[in-house]
Amino acid sequence: ILNVEQSPQSLHVQEGDSTNFTCSFPSSNFYALHWYRWETAKSPEALFVMTLNGDEKKKGRISATLNTKEGYSYLYIKGSQPEDSATYLCAPQGSARQLTFGSGTQLTVLP
Amino acid sequence: ETGVTQSPTHLIKTRGQQVTLRCSSQSGHNTVSWYQQALGQGPQFIFQYYREEENGRGNFPPRFSGLQFPNYSSELNVNALELDDSALYLCASSLAGSGDNEQFFGPGTRLTVL
Repeated sequence: ILNVEQSPQSLHVQEGDSTNFTCSFPSSNFYALHWYRWETAKSPEALFVMTLNGDEKKKGRISATLNTKEGYSYLYIKGSQPEDSATYLCAPQGSARQLTFGSGTQLTVLP
Repeated sequence: ETGVTQSPTHLIKTRGQQVTLRCSSQSGHNTVSWYQQALGQGPQFIFQYYREEENGRGNFPPRFSGLQFPNYSSELNVNALELDDSALYLCASSLAGSGDNEQFFGPGTRLTVL
């Protein structure tokens, strides 16, 4: 069972601010790292799947980096908007291919 | 939306009862995973089904069981319900062998056990 830590647990930012969250996980037995965005009353939405050390992925104003050697990933949001308010979950995937989720970072963007 | 559907949306049961939750996969997907999300926690992996066989299981007791059908839809069955089984149950479909194993989630079934 992987021990996955996400920080901070919750975050309030003003519209237009940039922000970032951290996901840390055991570096052994690593296969991939998934990021999801989960808005209230909706399904979790896949943002990124990252596999290689040093990977950087970008989707609009959201980007992510991966360090598999030290076991962490950062998610960045540039110029936060109210519609970015959601819980952001990371889930490393080991050789067994199952996802182990962190508890998430709950982001609130204030207008 | 992902194309993954779950039913029912909400369910209330009493302790000791049995429950069946259903999930329809996204078209073309052959693998279904089930997760339990308790309040304040991330989703926890229950088990995965691939080609109608269980293909990995998390730390859940045998009273949690599942089925996958030839059309790749799936059921989660929980026997002898306990109060702690109250949670949101999510299913996710994926295509085995697709490389990144991206999983597409349904909206979940909220189970309350009284």
